[in-house]
Amino acid sequence: AQRVTQPEKLLSVFKGAPVELKCNYSYSGSPELFWYVQYSRQRLQLLLRHISRESIKGFTADLNKGETSFHLKKPFAQEEDSAMYYCAPYTGTASKLTFGTGTRLQVTL
Amino acid sequence: KAGVTQTPRYLIKTRGQQVTLSCSPISGHRSVSWYQQTPGQGLQFLFEYFSETQRNKGNFPGRFSGRQFSNSRSEMNVSTLELGDSALYLCASSTTGVTNYGYTFGSGTRLTVV
Repeated sequence: AQRVTQPEKLLSVFKGAPVELKCNYSYSGSPELFWYVQYSRQRLQLLLRHISRESIKGFTADLNKGETSFHLKKPFAQEEDSAMYYCAPYTGTASKLTFGTGTRLQVTL
Repeated sequence: KAGVTQTPRYLIKTRGQQVTLSCSPISGHRSVSWYQQTPGQGLQFLFEYFSETQRNKGNFPGRFSGRQFSNSRSEMNVSTLELGDSALYLCASSTTGVTNYGYTFGSGTRLTVV
């Protein structure tokens, strides 16, 4: 069965500490992978897509096909990173973007 | 350019009633997807439309339906509302629904069923 797992509901880190938000997926074929972020009182927005290998707001995500993981990382957390983060595989054949349950990142001073 | 627009922003309905939500995608976007967001279930896929055709449907009862018009605007309808239908309904659009660019989301319609 196709499944995406974000094992942590809440991740609390201190400002300046490294952040890693975990995402594991179980999909047949090769889905495309995205990270979405939802800041307080804002709409859900695209943060990263694996195909572009970009770094947005200091975040990066490496696709590990062997481990079927797409963890989101940032070396030094900032207060403004506090938000809800969703990992989302996309299967083109199914025309469907599936969201994980999300991880709430809380960055404290 | 204008983003994804959802109307209305808030709705309060009574059990048993029906409701229609509207979504206007970004100009040029032909794919529209709908999601239900609740604290308990997170983001659940409802359906996706492309060029007026439903391409995929999530695991929701038949009370949930949708359609897309020739100008790519989309509506979703929920009939015989239940208390459990209270949620934030999100619409997302993309150019073709396929690959690279992900989806752009609207602010949502918050439906409360009493």
